[in-house]
Amino acid sequence: DAGVIQSPRHEVTEMGQEVTLRCKPISGHDYLFWYRQTMMRGLELLIYFNNNVPIDDSGMPEDRFSAKMPNASFSTLKIQPSEPRDSAVYFCASKGGYEQYFGPGTRLTVT
Amino acid sequence: DAKTTQPNSMESNEEEPVHLPCNHSTISGTDYIHWYRQLPSQGPEYVIHGLTSNVNNRMASLAIAEDRKSSTLILHRATLRDAAVYYCILWEEYGNKLVFGAGTILRVKS
Repeated sequence: DAGVIQSPRHEVTEMGQEVTLRCKPISGHDYLFWYRQTMMRGLELLIYFNNNVPIDDSGMPEDRFSAKMPNASFSTLKIQPSEPRDSAVYFCASKGGYEQYFGPGTRLTVT
Repeated sequence: DAKTTQPNSMESNEEEPVHLPCNHSTISGTDYIHWYRQLPSQGPEYVIHGLTSNVNNRMASLAIAEDRKSSTLILHRATLRDAAVYYCILWEEYGNKLVFGAGTILRVKS
């Protein structure tokens, strides 16, 4: 398996633009997680899904953020409109047993 | 979520053992102790986990105190590639959330 795949790896956008981050989990895993990492706040869980259903979105910072998982092999995290404070590395992870497997991350820069 | 306390940073010499401590005095009976590490410019990766007994795998060993209020991750022979941030996390038996703290920055000197 190729592991968790995220795209794009880097994204630079202007404030006010819509940003969509994509994730393909490991096949067979039934949990998917979205995290955000910044120097100030460290690694934070934003939302997670079980069998494509959102279970806990308490970490989503505000209504500008939304996440979907239309099927077992694909998830998106959307920010609309984006703001400079959204600049961070966003990680997707999937889990089938006790171990979470993280993707390489998407580095988002909002200018 | 139960909390863990780790030193901010540690330093080791290459080829020597490293003992990374973690305190978790509020651990409950069903909390598992998980360790992840994050290499530079990468996502975190699983290292090891345990409940009560000491555990060994190809990457490391986990020593858990008898009262479970602390644990130690042991890297038997540190290499330069082990330089990373190491996170000690408590995982509820039926939970699914990893709550990452600040972790310990491990520096390995050649």
